[in-house]
Amino acid sequence: DAGVIQSPRHEVTEMGQEVTLRCKPISGHNSLFWYRQTMMRGLELLIYFNNNVPIDDSGMPEDRFSAKMPNASFSTLKIQPSEPRDSAVYFCASSPTQAGDRGEQFFGPGTRLTVL
Amino acid sequence: AQSVTQLGSHVSVSEGALVLLRCNYSSSVPPYLFWYVQYPNQGLQLLLKYTSAATLVKGINGFEAEFKKSETSFHLTKPSAHMSDAAEYFCAVRGSGGYNKLIFGAGTRLAVHP
Repeated sequence: DAGVIQSPRHEVTEMGQEVTLRCKPISGHNSLFWYRQTMMRGLELLIYFNNNVPIDDSGMPEDRFSAKMPNASFSTLKIQPSEPRDSAVYFCASSPTQAGDRGEQFFGPGTRLTVL
Repeated sequence: AQSVTQLGSHVSVSEGALVLLRCNYSSSVPPYLFWYVQYPNQGLQLLLKYTSAATLVKGINGFEAEFKKSETSFHLTKPSAHMSDAAEYFCAVRGSGGYNKLIFGAGTRLAVHP
């Protein structure tokens, strides 16, 4: 398996622009997580889905952030409009949640976002 | 509710010395515990996990961790540090409510010097 795939790996944009980050989870995994990592705040859980349904979005910082999971193999995190303080590395992770699993999450390589 | 505390945001050791990274957890249910490693400019990678089997868990790259219920600890150790071990290490506990949500500690950055 190719693992969790994220695109783009790097994104540089200007303040006010819309940014869309993409994630393809590992096939067969039915939970998907979006994280943000910064030096100041560390690793933050933004939102997670189970069977394509958002379960908890309490970590989403503002209404400018939105996430969707239209099917089991694709999720997006959108920021509109973007601001310099959104600059961070965004990680996607997936996990199987079948009976007997042990709770491990598998992380993608991340998208480094820079908002100028 | 579950929580994790990692003692020491930065740890520095000499090459060949013992590595000890501390993690204490709080959990209202028997915990599933994890250590992840993050190398520079990479995602998090699972080092090892405890899921109520043996209390001494062996992971990749010579790391191991011991689950001590009486101390609510899950410290990570490696007998002899290598330069390639320099990275950030995260301890995590599985959250309640299913879905495999993980509660992460703040991380410990390990530096290894010659």
